[in-house]
Amino acid sequence: QVQLHESGPGLVKPSETLSLTCTVSGGSIGGYYWSWIRQSPGKGLEWIGNIYSSGTTTYNRSLKSRVTISVDMSKKQFSLKLTSVTAADTAVYYCARHGAGNWSYFDYWGQGTLVTVSS
Amino acid sequence: DIQLIQSPSSLSASVGDRVTITCRASQTIYKYLNWYQQKPGKAPEVLINGASSLQGGVPSRFSGSGSGTEFTLTISSLQLEDFATYYCQQSYNQWTFGQGTKVEIK
Repeated sequence: QVQLHESGPGLVKPSETLSLTCTVSGGSIGGYYWSWIRQSPGKGLEWIGNIYSSGTTTYNRSLKSRVTISVDMSKKQFSLKLTSVTAADTAVYYCARHGAGNWSYFDYWGQGTLVTVSS
Repeated sequence: DIQLIQSPSSLSASVGDRVTITCRASQTIYKYLNWYQQKPGKAPEVLINGASSLQGGVPSRFSGSGSGTEFTLTISSLQLEDFATYYCQQSYNQWTFGQGTKVEIK
């Protein structure tokens, strides 16, 4: 059974960089796409971006200038960096897996981690 | 960007009721539409993919239909464990979610 687990600081100061890591267990990281999704009361569920096991990335156009997603195949981890955060970035952040192509859907999710942006 | 609008935003229903949730896309997304259920404090779980394909293990009282810009999720006979928030999500052009429909106990 594939399991995903998010980790990282729960509190980030405004203007700083939010950094999270997702660790994959129970399955291969190769051959799949790995996404970051966040959920806030104000904006609902928002897809942030994804990375393929080869390292190819795609980002939400509205966040692209601030987002970097990377993968470490040897550790079975992928990571999110979001720069210049504001209170609007306060949310529960999920990592999730999906397949390729238009028929894809998010089939495995982490439990989510709350990140609060506050001084 | 493709917008998804769900209606209603919330509804109250009783056990045994038939419930229908609609998701409208701002442009055609063919059948590239998935439905998720989310319970408080948990991650969403996929119920239906490709507009109408039921995921393994999902009860048959759940069904999905539609194509193009209008889609429907139907629960034929609401059970206690179905009280949750439901989201549609498109995978035609990047990935976006509807704003959610909260199904509450009447």
